[in-house]
Amino acid sequence: DTGVSQNPRHKITKRGQNVTFRCDPISEHNRLYWYRQTLGQGPEFLTYFQNEAQLEKSRLLSDRFSAERPKGSFSTLEIQRTEQGDSAMYLCASSPDVSASYEQYFGPGTRLTVT
Amino acid sequence: AQTVTQSQPEMSVQEAETVTLSCTYDTSESDYYLFWYKQPPSRQMILVIRQEAYKQQNATENRFSVNFQKAAKSFSLKISDSQLGDAAMYFCAYRSGQGAQKLVFGQGTRLTINP
Repeated sequence: DTGVSQNPRHKITKRGQNVTFRCDPISEHNRLYWYRQTLGQGPEFLTYFQNEAQLEKSRLLSDRFSAERPKGSFSTLEIQRTEQGDSAMYLCASSPDVSASYEQYFGPGTRLTVT
Repeated sequence: AQTVTQSQPEMSVQEAETVTLSCTYDTSESDYYLFWYKQPPSRQMILVIRQEAYKQQNATENRFSVNFQKAAKSFSLKISDSQLGDAAMYFCAYRSGQGAQKLVFGQGTRLTINP
């Protein structure tokens, strides 16, 4: 098991374009989280999946953002009509569905730059 | 809503010395967990130490220990015998024991180790 992986690691796009990021969690981790981290700040929660069900979305997740986790395995985060304010590091994390005492394991992140 | 505050944007310490990073949080919940995560430059976030709110004993992991003051809602991290590899951003995080169990992060403290 190699941990949580995210692709791509870096994405540069022009304003108005659509982008999609992928997260592969640790196998058998039922919970999957997306966070956004802007420069010099702590990560902020975006959305949460338990298996394939998206159970919570932050108000930060505007209608231009959509996330999926088909079959409860990998997850994708799509941003439509990107804006410069979307530039950030997008982090994925997974954890077992046992207890909140279990840590969330983070991936390396996808750094998005919107020009 | 829960909030986490780290009032020290930057800290520095001499190698082999001890440093304490501060964190306060606000919650009305009784079932929660607290974490310190480390984010080295351009590397992924990893867990340093965790504390269950129902435990009175402070958590310890090798050179890392916490001072958990539940009534004061304070959760500081002490790093003993600082090493160059400890240089990183450190984030204090809160996780509810209920619901999505998402992490709520503080703003982070950048720790520099002086040789």
